[in-house]
Amino acid sequence: QTVVTQEPSFSVSPGGTVTLTCGLSSGSVSTSYYPSWYRQTPGQAPRTLIYSTNTRSSGVPDRFSGSILGNKAALTITGAQADDESDYYCVLYMGSGFVVFGGGTKLTVL
Amino acid sequence: QLQLQESGPGLVKPSETLSLTCTVSGGSIGSSSDYWGWIRQPPGKGLEWIGNIYSSGSTYYNSSLKSRITISVDTSKNQFSLKLSSVTAADTAFYYCARLRRSGSYTFDYWGQGTLVTVSS
Repeated sequence: QTVVTQEPSFSVSPGGTVTLTCGLSSGSVSTSYYPSWYRQTPGQAPRTLIYSTNTRSSGVPDRFSGSILGNKAALTITGAQADDESDYYCVLYMGSGFVVFGGGTKLTVL
Repeated sequence: QLQLQESGPGLVKPSETLSLTCTVSGGSIGSSSDYWGWIRQPPGKGLEWIGNIYSSGSTYYNSSLKSRITISVDTSKNQFSLKLSSVTAADTAFYYCARLRRSGSYTFDYWGQGTLVTVSS
């Protein structure tokens, strides 16, 4: 069973920079997994932030960026704002129609 | 603009079968090269992928749910459906349908608003 790991929670100060990561229980995340990142606020459906590792979805500010850091996918938020406080999920495409969601990271801005 | 809308009963009894339908508008499932998927989220918890279907009817299921799920597609109605059998309280969740875009991105780019299904007698 493939498990995608994310930090359960993270805290950042307003104006600060935070990097959330997305790893695999066994193995390394690479661009071949087409890592994507989603943001979800309470009561809403998730919204795509980043796809294919580092491509921003339409309308997403360039404060959000995606990359591979070491053996994990990463989402970096620079100049954090109060309304960045959300749950963030990564998804890996395992091939042949299969995907796996990470457990999500609850980001607090304070 | 593609839109997806989930529909189905909001309350299902334990041991029965949960049935939901996703209606797609603004685009055609049949002429699409994308996958169409179901994702769920128990209240207060994380997202869980349930499964995907291709317009041809090929299906791809989460191994942890595989024995209980059936996903089907009706291209004439531009709908795809989820059936989850033998439900328990642990299946209480918001259920979302979404498009898994291929074209080299493999991202869920359009989502339904979600529907809460409660399993209770």
